[in-house]
Amino acid sequence: DAGVIQSPRHEVTEMGQEVTLRCKPISGHNSLFWYRQTMMRGLELLIYFNNNVPIDDSGMPEDRFSAKMPNASFSTLKIQPSEPRDSAVYFCASSLQQGSTEAFFGQGTRLTVV
Amino acid sequence: QKEVEQDPGPLSVPEGAIVSLNCTYSNSAFQYFMWYRQYSRKGPELLMYTYSSGNKEDGRFTAQVDKSSKYISLFIRDSQPSDSATYLCAMRSSASKIIFGSGTRLSIRP
Repeated sequence: DAGVIQSPRHEVTEMGQEVTLRCKPISGHNSLFWYRQTMMRGLELLIYFNNNVPIDDSGMPEDRFSAKMPNASFSTLKIQPSEPRDSAVYFCASSLQQGSTEAFFGQGTRLTVV
Repeated sequence: QKEVEQDPGPLSVPEGAIVSLNCTYSNSAFQYFMWYRQYSRKGPELLMYTYSSGNKEDGRFTAQVDKSSKYISLFIRDSQPSDSATYLCAMRSSASKIIFGSGTRLSIRP
């Protein structure tokens, strides 16, 4: 298996633009997580899905952020409109099930909003 | 106060030294304790995990959990330059989401 696949790897966009990050979890994994990593705040959980259903979105910073998982093999994280403070590395991770100890991370998307 | 606190470092030690990395936490419901390693420009990878209190050893790595003090540690013996990375502690209760520490950046000098 290729692991968790994220795209794009890098994104530079202007403030106010819409940004869409994409994730393909490992086949057979039932849980999917979106994290954001910055130097100041570390690795923060934004939202996670179990069996394509959002379970906890309490980490989503504000209404500008939204996430979807239309099927078991694809998820998106959208920021609209983007702001410079959204600049970070966004990771997608998947695990076999909700209570699994191990989460497998993708390579991340480095987002820069100028 | 964050649920999981971790000193961000950076921590720099000479090759061969014993490294001690630590985290404290506030949620007494946490039962699963993990250490992830993250190389530069990569995603974190699970290194070790323990359930409840006690020690677990895997090669040069030892994970230790003291639930009474809400304190966990990772020891690296005979540290190697290839151990240079950011180490993140992580923990969760029985069915909850994984909460990560902010990570400690470790550098092993040849």
